[in-house]
Amino acid sequence: DAKTTQPNSMESNEEEPVHLPCNHSTISGTDYIHWYRQLPSQGPEYVIHGLTSNVNNRMASLAIAEDRKSSTLILHRATLRDAAVYYCILNYLLGAGNMLTFGGGTRLMVKP
Amino acid sequence: DAGVTQSPTHLIKTRGQQVTLRCSPKSGHDTVSWYQQALGQGPQFIFQYYEEEERQRGNFPDRFSGHQFPNYSSELNVNALLLGDSALYLCASSSALDISTYNEQFFGPGTRLTVL
Repeated sequence: DAKTTQPNSMESNEEEPVHLPCNHSTISGTDYIHWYRQLPSQGPEYVIHGLTSNVNNRMASLAIAEDRKSSTLILHRATLRDAAVYYCILNYLLGAGNMLTFGGGTRLMVKP
Repeated sequence: DAGVTQSPTHLIKTRGQQVTLRCSPKSGHDTVSWYQQALGQGPQFIFQYYEEEERQRGNFPDRFSGHQFPNYSSELNVNALLLGDSALYLCASSSALDISTYNEQFFGPGTRLTVL
């Protein structure tokens, strides 16, 4: 499986944008990029996914580099509730129920 | 609409014992996956059930087994418990038929297992 590399931790101020990077230099042409986050004492929750084009949804935006070797999850205005561990995951299949291979993720801390 | 539910929330066992964890998927979901999350690490995939069959399996020994029932709920069984089995066990459900959430897995809050 292709691997992802994320910083262990990042800090942000409340109400400021946050850019969470992910490197995936060995990504294959059929790998989708998924992001999940895990709030304290909860199971992970889906955030967003994409293949080649940038994606937006109500939670976040996903910016994918032209060569697809890196991507950035963008939280437009961080809130205290966004403090969580964010996981960048490559999945070669687009579809429900596919095995997710989690790495260590990035722990995001949000300061008031 | 109830999300994914898991029981029990916490469990303490001793080495060598056996444990059964339970999961009820989100309404309308037919696929259940199990993950093990050790403290400070990301979740690791154990296996997945669809149509009462194990469809995918991660790198876990045969001591880990599961079952899916006709109502799509699932059980995870672990035999001959080791200290290293202490972890948060997460259940995730999904649906191959729901186009709007086709790419999402919905996770429960987990069962915290402590092996002494």
